[in-house]
Amino acid sequence: GDSVTQMEGPVTLSEEAFLTINCTYTATGYPSLFWYVQYPGEGLQLLLKATKADDKGSNKGFEATYRKETTSFHLEKGSVQVSDSAVYFCALSEKNYGQNFVFGPGTRLSVLP
Amino acid sequence: SQTIHQWPATLVQPVGSPLSLECTVEGTSNPNLYWYRQAAGRGLQLLFYSVGIGQISSEVPQNLSASRPQDRQFILSSKKLLLSDSGFYLCAWNQPGLRNEKLFFGSGTQLSVL
Repeated sequence: GDSVTQMEGPVTLSEEAFLTINCTYTATGYPSLFWYVQYPGEGLQLLLKATKADDKGSNKGFEATYRKETTSFHLEKGSVQVSDSAVYFCALSEKNYGQNFVFGPGTRLSVLP
Repeated sequence: SQTIHQWPATLVQPVGSPLSLECTVEGTSNPNLYWYRQAAGRGLQLLFYSVGIGQISSEVPQNLSASRPQDRQFILSSKKLLLSDSGFYLCAWNQPGLRNEKLFFGSGTQLSVL
């Protein structure tokens, strides 16, 4: 079945450091890919998405590129802020009717001032 | 605009007691509805999803059940809670028909079973 693998956390960075969170996926078809963010005590919010190969999703300084050849969707940000501290989930959706979202285990990011 | 409401935000229940968590969506019709559980330090596990009134699909066997009595209402229940039911429960919805439609999440319910 479909699956999503993320780098193990927690990740601790200093403010203004460069961030990469790796995500790879396994899917039988041609999925859409997503990054969701969860701030403490809250539900998940969509951060960015990409629906086809070589698409780049971007939002709030975060970027991720859909790489079909390496089945990857790594999240990057050039300069993190303390407010970026959260748990980040990579996810895919493959079924035609949007019912089948598969989430990675999440990566906790802590940014220190 | 669409909104999703989930309550209660926090719940502490003894082992063996019943459970009822409610989720409602406003501003849309015939949404797909989902219940996820997030155990401490772990990822999201899909528990149930529904594509219409009275239509429930279960992803994992457990002592929980779900019901959809109205188009925009989704309820998670248990007759007798277990310690292992503790976790963060999230309701979500999306619009059917497009596979790239994002999920919208509620704010979650932190359930502690003691």
